[in-house]
Amino acid sequence: AQSVTQLDSQVPVFEEAPVELRCNYSSSVSVYLFWYVQYPNQGLQLLLKYLSGSTLVKGINGFEAEFNKSQTSFHLRKPSVHISDTAEYFCAVKYSGAGSYQLTFGKGTKLSVIP
Amino acid sequence: EAGVAQSPRYKIIEKRQSVAFWCNPISGHATLYWYQQILGQGPKLLIQFQNNGVVDDSQLPKDRFSAERLKGVDSTLKIQPAKLEDSAVYLCASSAWDGMNTEAFFGQGTRLTVV
Repeated sequence: AQSVTQLDSQVPVFEEAPVELRCNYSSSVSVYLFWYVQYPNQGLQLLLKYLSGSTLVKGINGFEAEFNKSQTSFHLRKPSVHISDTAEYFCAVKYSGAGSYQLTFGKGTKLSVIP
Repeated sequence: EAGVAQSPRYKIIEKRQSVAFWCNPISGHATLYWYQQILGQGPKLLIQFQNNGVVDDSQLPKDRFSAERLKGVDSTLKIQPAKLEDSAVYLCASSAWDGMNTEAFFGQGTRLTVV
């Protein structure tokens, strides 16, 4: 089974500073990678996804992520964060399991933007 | 397009009681998922339906949890009897079909507290 590791459980950052949220996954033949955001008391919303092609993926709200196959990483970045980016971010990997496609999540990283 | 609807939003019950959650997926979506999200952890897949058939329930505690998706549309998840460790947010999600490149759309979740 696939596993996803988010190396930081909490990341505080000052407003307008850059941020990187790290994600590593266990290697597999073929996986698709996702980043979701969860605002307080809300469900998960898709930020971006990597399916194939360019390894640099751009998503909503100015976020982007880079797929690195050799390092099995899919780190999320934003050059300048806003207060509204305060939320929990989940990295997820989708792979072909026994008869279905499994979407497995990491434990999440809480991003706190400090004014 | 209406999103995934879940009810209730919050539920508090005593241990050993039973509880049921309801989910209405996005119209036309064949695949429906129930996830359990314990505080401080990422969502964990409990059960996945394709239309009204179960494709994966390997992580569903079948001695106390049950789920059904009659007519391949709405779904209910039941816990009977509940334990303290069942306190979590239960997320329902749906996707157009079960494929590698399909996006899962999440509801706002039901927060269950077992006391």
